[in-house]
Amino acid sequence: NAGVTQTPKFQVLKTGQSMTLQCAQDMNHNSMYWYRQDPGMGLRLIYYSASEGTTDKGEVPNGYNVSRLNKREFSLRLESAAPSQTSVYFCASSETQRTEAFFGQGTRLTVV
Amino acid sequence: ILNVEQSPQSLHVQEGDSTNFTCSFPSSNFYALHWYRWETAKSPEALFVMTLNGDEKKKGRISATLNTKEGYSYLYIKGSQPEDSATYLCALPGGATNKLIFGTGTLLAVQP
Repeated sequence: NAGVTQTPKFQVLKTGQSMTLQCAQDMNHNSMYWYRQDPGMGLRLIYYSASEGTTDKGEVPNGYNVSRLNKREFSLRLESAAPSQTSVYFCASSETQRTEAFFGQGTRLTVV
Repeated sequence: ILNVEQSPQSLHVQEGDSTNFTCSFPSSNFYALHWYRWETAKSPEALFVMTLNGDEKKKGRISATLNTKEGYSYLYIKGSQPEDSATYLCALPGGATNKLIFGTGTLLAVQP
């Protein structure tokens, strides 16, 4: 079972460059999430999608955009990368908020 | 944004010790509480999802309790083993769209 698949696994960007992190799940889940992990900060929610076509800001949305292309895919875009966006990014999905979330393997992004 | 607090921030125990952590949250508008285990260089994995006041869940040596009226949950590990070393996260759905918000976690290190 593939579960939640994120691409790429690693990326190095120069300040000002743009990129899109891809996420796809094959569990027919309604809810999808993007989190970033920083030392001592746990997981902070960037954006959330409750269903296809809907998105909602999380705790740290500035500098990011998202797109829920269909039920399977939820992408995260950095339009103009900044060193402060150096982090590990996790995509997750769940059927509802009362069921467990499943996480992708993470994307380690470095902005220089 | 929902305020989810975990304590302690970190814990060092000897193999065989039993230990517990706390997750505190606002008691109003409770929907569900999640516990996750997160090993270094891996993705978080769900331990429990609890929805009812007084819920108790168990998986092997790990158990959890929930008190929604006073706004806390305890995670217990009986007879800690080195392989229990990980960060333990709790999370709750919050806000108008019930987006899943995580606490900063408790880092457990079990010395052999």
